[in-house]
Amino acid sequence: DARVTQTPRHKVTEMGQEVTMRCQPILGHNTVFWYRQTMMQGLELLAYFRNRAPLDDSGMPKDRFSAEMPDATLATLKIQPSEPRDSAVYFCASGLVPGAYGYTFGSGTRLTVV
Amino acid sequence: AQTVTQSQPEMSVQEAETVTLSCTYDTSESDYYLFWYKQPPSRQMILVIRQEAYKQQNATENRFSVNFQKAAKSFSLKISDSQLGDAAMYFCAYIHAGGTSYGKLTFGQGTILTVHP
Repeated sequence: DARVTQTPRHKVTEMGQEVTMRCQPILGHNTVFWYRQTMMQGLELLAYFRNRAPLDDSGMPKDRFSAEMPDATLATLKIQPSEPRDSAVYFCASGLVPGAYGYTFGSGTRLTVV
Repeated sequence: AQTVTQSQPEMSVQEAETVTLSCTYDTSESDYYLFWYKQPPSRQMILVIRQEAYKQQNATENRFSVNFQKAAKSFSLKISDSQLGDAAMYFCAYIHAGGTSYGKLTFGQGTILTVHP
């Protein structure tokens, strides 16, 4: 089965360090999402792309977060500088709009900022 | 903005029994898609069932079925013959089928389901 691949699976970093999370969407999918999951806030949409163009990043703290798709096989989410409140699980998902069959999720990156 | 509400933070069920998880949503659109995702302790998000808003017939997938009430904006999930492997967090989700948020996926807060042997 085709899958969305996220790396790393786990990341522990010190406050103030840069963190980069990567996502390889399923080949042929034209829409990519980044979500953050925490106990308090649930699943929050951070950003999403269609055909590599950013459509909505209103859920993302602009001062420290950035999301890009340098090519169709790679999406990145960067945090610089990281803070303890960024500790969460970050999910990438991909699919074909309008999403009638849902989107496929990666296994997530568990980020811990100490 | 479209919102999805799951009013039951936690539910529990005995093995082999039936349980219903509730979901309501707020939208001004007539065309959209609804989903239930399952997230077991492994944290993998698994699509359980989907419903197209223009279809009146309720979707079913083996032991999983939905009760879709479009006018009431309600989309509940029924799990029949519950199994221990059904224990997970369940998310209700909405996808815009048109407009400026075309294809955007919005989740409810989730319901933790416990299955007792």
